[in-house]
Amino acid sequence: TQLLEQSPQFLSIQEGENLTVYCNSSSVFSSLQWYRQEPGEGPVLLVTVVTGGEVKKLKRLTFQFGDARKDSSLHITAAQPGDTGLYLCAGAQTGANNLFFGTGTRLTVIP
Amino acid sequence: DTEVTQTPKHLVMGMTNKKSLKCEQHMGHRAMYWYKQKAKKPPELMFVYSYEKLSINESVPSRFSPECPNSSLLNLHLHALQPEDSALYLCASSQGGSGGLIYNEQFFGPGTRLTVL
Repeated sequence: TQLLEQSPQFLSIQEGENLTVYCNSSSVFSSLQWYRQEPGEGPVLLVTVVTGGEVKKLKRLTFQFGDARKDSSLHITAAQPGDTGLYLCAGAQTGANNLFFGTGTRLTVIP
Repeated sequence: DTEVTQTPKHLVMGMTNKKSLKCEQHMGHRAMYWYKQKAKKPPELMFVYSYEKLSINESVPSRFSPECPNSSLLNLHLHALQPEDSALYLCASSQGGSGGLIYNEQFFGPGTRLTVL
């Protein structure tokens, strides 16, 4: 069962533009991670959010966890070609020894 | 050491071959995972080991056989695979235990690109 839906599925933008990726669910999560994956490599953990309403910033990336801990967003300011990749959200539930991965957003930033 | 290593990087095998994928971590993590990832799709969970015991098997065919020899190593033995098993196989680890399960931050290896002919 796919618990986390990401939108958009694909996104192609010009360098310097801003974008937002959404991760939505009807389930509550104890924490939510965002990963970025480049072709042929494993996903790399970007951030973990754990508190409803929490906002975390990582340089040009801003992550927000929804108040009800059911959804999250990733905002990138002034996108760079190096931001290109597959962005995955993943939710953890208390006591569960696995992550529920989102459907993924493939971002291409054109120089 | 915050790295998860996987070998080999690439593997091509026939449907009658037997091969093994290997994964290693030295972060003291007590949970380790195998995922299968098809092109342009998110990773699909296959197996979870917690404290060296198999805790989750996501209805994976028996031609995939996991093994956890110790807390740092995880193997995936392959036998009589099908062409549709061709994919990127990812290993991951996480802290595990009651505290780690709240966050379950997973650290992934670079993967093994498997091609079954």
